[in-house]
Amino acid sequence: DIQMTQSPSTLSASVGDRVTITCRASQSISSWLAWYQQKPGKAPKLLIYQASSLESGVPSRFSGSGSGTEFTLTISSLQPDDFATYYCQQYNTYMWTFGQGTKVETK
Amino acid sequence: EVHLVESGGGLVQPGGSLRLSCAASGFSFRAYWMSWVRQAPGKGLEWVANMKQDGSEKFYLDSVKGRFTISRDNAKDSLFLQMNSLRAEDTAVYYCARDWGEWRGLAEYFQHWGQGTLVTVSS
Repeated sequence: DIQMTQSPSTLSASVGDRVTITCRASQSISSWLAWYQQKPGKAPKLLIYQASSLESGVPSRFSGSGSGTEFTLTISSLQPDDFATYYCQQYNTYMWTFGQGTKVETK
Repeated sequence: EVHLVESGGGLVQPGGSLRLSCAASGFSFRAYWMSWVRQAPGKGLEWVANMKQDGSEKFYLDSVKGRFTISRDNAKDSLFLQMNSLRAEDTAVYYCARDWGEWRGLAEYFQHWGQGTLVTVSS
């Protein structure tokens, strides 16, 4: 199975900060990677697919990059609504796996 | 608008069984791969199982193989998860999720999610 490792596990930031979350795959997954945002008690929400494509309706301050084994999710200017947990997910193989999550909290 | 509504969760003893349902609306259910994804309390997301549009292909997380069975009724726009021999580690919120594109050859990523149903396995 492909293991997905996110870093950091927790990130403390302030409104207006540029935030970057990293996701590493245990083997190459080309660009078959998605990012989700989840708030407490809510279902995950798709943000990015195919590593860098922005889902419809998602603010342009969110962006994704990378290929192979290393990927990043960037929030260019953190907004109050962005404090949440973020997950990456690979869909390169028949076993769909998520990273362990990165919680973005208030500094 | 896409709607996915899960039901059937609850408290069950170890070794027991439970059947989850997901009622879909707002899209052509028969055209999409459908999945179950779970989240243990305070933990991350874990894909559990998925099923092709016509039911001809199914995939399972290793730890649930032989215990869980995914199925669907395209005539009733419904997805199911039969869970047998339940263990404490199966305790989680179970989400029904729809793949992104119609008539895809393989499931990819999860564009729409239900609100989840809580399964608690405890004596």
